[in-house]
Amino acid sequence: GESVGLHLPTLSVQEGDNSIINCAYSNSASDYFIWYKQESGKGPQFIIDIRSNMDKRQGQRVTVLLNKTVKHLSLQIAATQPGDSAVYFCAENSGTYKYIFGTGTRLKVLA
Amino acid sequence: GAGVSQSPSNKVTEKGKDVELRCDPISGHTALYWYRQSLGQGLEFLIYFQGNSAPDKSGLPSDRFSAERTGGSVSTLTIQRTQQEDSAVYLCASSLGQGSGNTIYFGEGSWLTVV
Repeated sequence: GESVGLHLPTLSVQEGDNSIINCAYSNSASDYFIWYKQESGKGPQFIIDIRSNMDKRQGQRVTVLLNKTVKHLSLQIAATQPGDSAVYFCAENSGTYKYIFGTGTRLKVLA
Repeated sequence: GAGVSQSPSNKVTEKGKDVELRCDPISGHTALYWYRQSLGQGLEFLIYFQGNSAPDKSGLPSDRFSAERTGGSVSTLTIQRTQQEDSAVYLCASSLGQGSGNTIYFGEGSWLTVV
């Protein structure tokens, strides 16, 4: 399959460095957020989620930070590896079945 | 199955032909979504099924698009008289329920090319 998002913003990071990917969400009523990773030719893969009653949540090598004041979400990837190269996008939900998705950021890991 | 399963994974069709895309959600998931993803674009909502409720078809771009979900499980998205602008990845997703905290899980997509 073809890569999606040919004109996405790109973040280039040296292997082993930390990556920070940002997302500005749109709805102040959103109370649940998800980060997805989409590799070339594949479907989006769930990485980590966070509810609005939290500011921070950690997973394996990943941390999500939520700033409700400025409606900002970030994904931090520690010790970035070549396998982390993908498009990352956020999703927000305000309690219904409808999700709003960001267009994504392409992460390139440089050897 | 363990995840959302979609078929075919790739489909090349001639303009004007009909195509059917299939989605088998995660077992036990009552909510099922279809999205479209075009090059350089985000996810475009197409249709949502929840249990036996009437589906939300508000995202279907034209009357050439239709979808059904039989027995509350497998879903089929049908595109009639395909056009070149229909070329995209069609993603199916499912979740246990609806609303906050119900993570939606995606399949690998059906990559449609209309020539």
